[in-house]
Amino acid sequence: DQQVKQNSPSLSVQEGRISILNCDYTNSMFDYFLWYKKYPAEGPTFLISISSIKDKNEDGRFTVFLNKSAKHLSLHIVPSQPGDSAVYFCAASAGANSKLTFGKGITLSVRP
Amino acid sequence: DAGVIQSPRHEVTEMGQEVTLRCKPISGHNSLFWYRQTMMRGLELLIYFNNNVPIDDSGMPEDRFSAKMPNASFSTLKIQPSEPRDSAVYFCASSLRSANEKLFFGSGTQLSVL
Repeated sequence: DQQVKQNSPSLSVQEGRISILNCDYTNSMFDYFLWYKKYPAEGPTFLISISSIKDKNEDGRFTVFLNKSAKHLSLHIVPSQPGDSAVYFCAASAGANSKLTFGKGITLSVRP
Repeated sequence: DAGVIQSPRHEVTEMGQEVTLRCKPISGHNSLFWYRQTMMRGLELLIYFNNNVPIDDSGMPEDRFSAKMPNASFSTLKIQPSEPRDSAVYFCASSLRSANEKLFFGSGTQLSVL
């Protein structure tokens, strides 16, 4: 039972364009969401997070949007760069001290 | 800070053998996590410790898997006996306080059980 779903396994985008990575969740108790980026042969690294009291959080080229009614969040990367090519994991938790639940990841390829 | 250190980076073993994976968390972090990554299931939490005490081991697949954290700077994940379906990348991660904070991952151990 996947509580965090990343339904598109891959995405290919032209350099300079916007990348939009989507994530859906089923557990209405989730109140904290994170995105991690993973390069081959490395561990995931934290990218950006958002609390359920917000609907948007921005950090440089990365913006995460949260739509609680739709149980949907998205990561926008603008402009996309070849170095952004990686696997992106969405994760969620339901309150302090609750574990993170990860999606299966989306492979982003940014074409020069 | 060297980050989370895992060893070995790669492990190839035969079915039935014992496998031990090791992890050194970031100094000062109070929570440690063991994750497994597979194509089918993505990143799964196996177990996590807080202040060296196992808090949630509901993700441990079966009795063949065990994890210990004898002190704040060391943890092991043991599989005995190993099976081909255990082949995966195993990640260790740590966080400053709790399970839902920003996690810092190690580089992982690629395990292949033949």
